[in-house]
Amino acid sequence: NAGVTQTPKFQVLKTGQSMTLQCAQDMNHEYMSWYRQDPGMGLRLIHYSVGAGITDQGEVPNGYNVSRSTTEDFPLRLLSAAPSQTSVYFCASSSRYDRLGHQPQHFGDGTRLSIL
Amino acid sequence: LAKTTQPISMDSYEGQEVNITCSHNNIATNDYITWYQQFPSQGPRFIIQGYKTKVTNEVASLFIPADRKSSTLSLPRVSLSDTAVYYCLVGVPPSGGSYIPTFGRGTSLIVHP
Repeated sequence: NAGVTQTPKFQVLKTGQSMTLQCAQDMNHEYMSWYRQDPGMGLRLIHYSVGAGITDQGEVPNGYNVSRSTTEDFPLRLLSAAPSQTSVYFCASSSRYDRLGHQPQHFGDGTRLSIL
Repeated sequence: LAKTTQPISMDSYEGQEVNITCSHNNIATNDYITWYQQFPSQGPRFIIQGYKTKVTNEVASLFIPADRKSSTLSLPRVSLSDTAVYYCLVGVPPSGGSYIPTFGRGTSLIVHP
């Protein structure tokens, strides 16, 4: 199993450019989410989805769009990149329960994004 | 959402037991307590989850007192590879409704030789 795959791993953008960060999972998980991680800030939730066709805002949604047309994919779109969006972005997925009754989130390895 | 408070950093030595305590005074009745570990340049990884009393797996133990206002992650006999950031989360597991897992700043554990 590949788990959660994020592409690209690194990206440099100019202010005002748009781009899409890709996230795919092969575990048939219902729940998917996007976080950003800044130095000293922990992880902050951007958007999340509880199933195909359903998305909702997290703690810091401004400047980002998401859609969930399939169970497997949950792309994150930056509409007009700003230097404040320079960060490491993590995608995560989870199912309702594992065999022990836990609901662990499975994270990708992140996309390191720099906005100049 | 229940807020969590953890020490910013901790230091230990190889072979010692490490206990990281998380305070969550406003924990709700249905909230679970979950701990994650994050190595540099990687995404967080689930360690352990519990609701009350004690939970143990092959990696760690989680102690939760009766009032559930705090929890302690215990790592037995740490090694250099346990150097990481540890996050304590409190919330209701996904159940079809809204669920916003909140990661604080975590505890940076450094294990020395």
